Amino acid sequence: GAVVSQHPSRVICKSGTSVKIECRSLDFQATTMFWYRQFPKKSLMLMATSNEGSKATYEQGVEKDKFLINHASLTLSTLTVTSAHPEDSSFYICSARGAGQGAMYFGPGTRLTVT
Amino acid sequence: SQQGEEDPQALSIQEGENATMNCSYKTSINNLQWYRQNSGRGLVHLILIRSNEREKHSGRLRVTLDTSKKSSSLLITASRAADTASYFCATPGFAGNNRKLIWGLGTSLAVNP
Repeated sequence: GAVVSQHPSRVICKSGTSVKIECRSLDFQATTMFWYRQFPKKSLMLMATSNEGSKATYEQGVEKDKFLINHASLTLSTLTVTSAHPEDSSFYICSARGAGQGAMYFGPGTRLTVT
Repeated sequence: SQQGEEDPQALSIQEGENATMNCSYKTSINNLQWYRQNSGRGLVHLILIRSNEREKHSGRLRVTLDTSKKSSSLLITASRAADTASYFCATPGFAGNNRKLIWGLGTSLAVNP
């Protein structure tokens, strides 16, 4: 099946710094990518949907200025957590879907810890 | 917004036993999907069942869909320790003009050797 990678898999940063997480589709062109946040033992919470070359659509309650999403190419989307705080510590997962595809492929997730 | 709900939230069984997880949803759908997530990892698509299907099999997995009750079940037969994971159901929804998945809360399955 299609492969989606995320980098880094784990990151620890200090409060106030910014962290960038990359999501790449390795063997298909991802016209749409999704970013999720997942708390321990909880379900996935959709943060935003991004289409290549256009602005991301954020879910209600998600701060677009804090969680910057860039889907600059058909194989790469980035999520930047700006001025991170300990409450931003979470597991962030991306998923990707190609044009005309129903299937969605998930990255392995990024564990962010803000100290 | 629509949200699937799985029950039980946690299930602990012995190897070899069957595990049944249920999912309910709130609006009309054209398909329902089940995913598996190992601890601290991404999600893996297991099976998709369309609204005109009542049952579907894939290996040791059996999924049923009852659109009249807006519910689905995932049965794992002859469970193995490696089946230990969280299982989520998801149904299609929309985020603006984009199709998205609406996620259930998940069932945490522990299969004890």
